[in-house]
Amino acid sequence: DTEVTQTPKHLVMGMTNKKSLKCEQHMGHRAMYWYKQKAKKPPELMFVYSYEKLSINESVPSRFSPECPNSSLLNLHLHALQPEDSALYLCASSQGPGNQPQHFGDGTRLSIL
Amino acid sequence: GESVGLHLPTLSVQEGDNSIINCAYSNSASDYFIWYKQESGKGPQFIIDIRSNMDKRQGQRVTVLLNKTVKHLSLQIAATQPGDSAVYFCAEARPNTGNQFYFGTGTSLTVIP
Repeated sequence: DTEVTQTPKHLVMGMTNKKSLKCEQHMGHRAMYWYKQKAKKPPELMFVYSYEKLSINESVPSRFSPECPNSSLLNLHLHALQPEDSALYLCASSQGPGNQPQHFGDGTRLSIL
Repeated sequence: GESVGLHLPTLSVQEGDNSIINCAYSNSASDYFIWYKQESGKGPQFIIDIRSNMDKRQGQRVTVLLNKTVKHLSLQIAATQPGDSAVYFCAEARPNTGNQFYFGTGTSLTVIP
């Protein structure tokens, strides 16, 4: 079992809905990440939080809004998504900034109707 | 069996044979590399990492080789087992990018019993 927990595992939403993806880790890691992965493609970085502060935003549209309430939690708020946003959304964490292994959750499978 | 990673996305090997999965990276300044295994419906799982001051690192049944001269990384799996069937990604960390990992396109490994 992964030590990074993501909920929900699956989410279906309409383009006008507002929903949130949640990620939790209790390994004491201080860096957390959101990735987007389309089918048969590699993960693509969206956001990086380091010590609870947003340090990288990879030019992600504003309909995706990340939040880091504390060092263990990472949220991704979704609003007015498009069908092309359907994908697997992965959360990862690492011990700290710098070149260290990132540990991934099993993702949320998101479908936009 | 052997793949060229970015150029041959699938690899089939007989159970018990050794597998070699290759990856070409693009940035000569990249200084840290990770191999991940992703099974269907799961997030990427850390297998092994290597820093640029090394050219070989061994784990349990796995060996990573780094050739900085030609910007090439390989993952060798000894005595491949059916449970090794998955997609394998290499990821490179480029310096001064604040924890950004760039993933290769992935290689799908199928182990034939």
